Amino acid sequence: NAGVTQTPKFQVLKTGQSMTLQCAQDMNHEYMSWYRQDPGMGLRLIHYSVGAGITDQGEVPNGYNVSRSTTEDFPLRLLSAAPSQTSVYFCASSYGAWTGGSKETQYFGPGTRLLVL
Amino acid sequence: DAKTTQPTSMDCAEGRAANLPCNHSTISGNEYVYWYRQIHSQGPQYIIHGLKNNETNEMASLIITEDRKSSTLILPHATLRDTAVYYCIVRVAGDTGRRALTFGSGTRLQVQP
Repeated sequence: NAGVTQTPKFQVLKTGQSMTLQCAQDMNHEYMSWYRQDPGMGLRLIHYSVGAGITDQGEVPNGYNVSRSTTEDFPLRLLSAAPSQTSVYFCASSYGAWTGGSKETQYFGPGTRLLVL
Repeated sequence: DAKTTQPTSMDCAEGRAANLPCNHSTISGNEYVYWYRQIHSQGPQYIIHGLKNNETNEMASLIITEDRKSSTLILPHATLRDTAVYYCIVRVAGDTGRRALTFGSGTRLQVQP
């Protein structure tokens, strides 16, 4: 298993540009999520999905869109990049979201480092 | 989530056991204890979890006290690659999705050669 993969590893954008961060998992996990991690801060949840066709907002959804057309893929779209979106973005997945224990163990991708100028 | 308290930093000699404590005195009966770690510039990595009983896997052992108010993560033979920040997290079942995985400040483990 490749686990959770993310592309690209690093990206530089200009203010106002749009882009899509890719995330894929091959573990047949129902739950997928996007976090951002800023220096000196913890993880903040952007959007999440509990299954194909179902998405919902996390704590900091503004400026980001997601879709979940397949179980495997959960792309994150930046609509109009701003310097405040400079961060490291992590995608995570887990088998489920409601039953606790090992079903809610989250597996993270390697991250995408985004710099918005 | 129940509040957790961990030491800010610890050192361990390579090849020795690393024992990382966590205090979670307000834990409730349906809350699990999870341990994750984050090696510099990498994504967080799941290590182990437990509810009441002690647990062991290929990476580590988790010892939970009988009153569940504290736990210890044990890395039996620490290597330089185990240098990372270790996070103890207490979560109730069903929290995934509704709330972000909150890492807190964690314990920075430095494995010395």
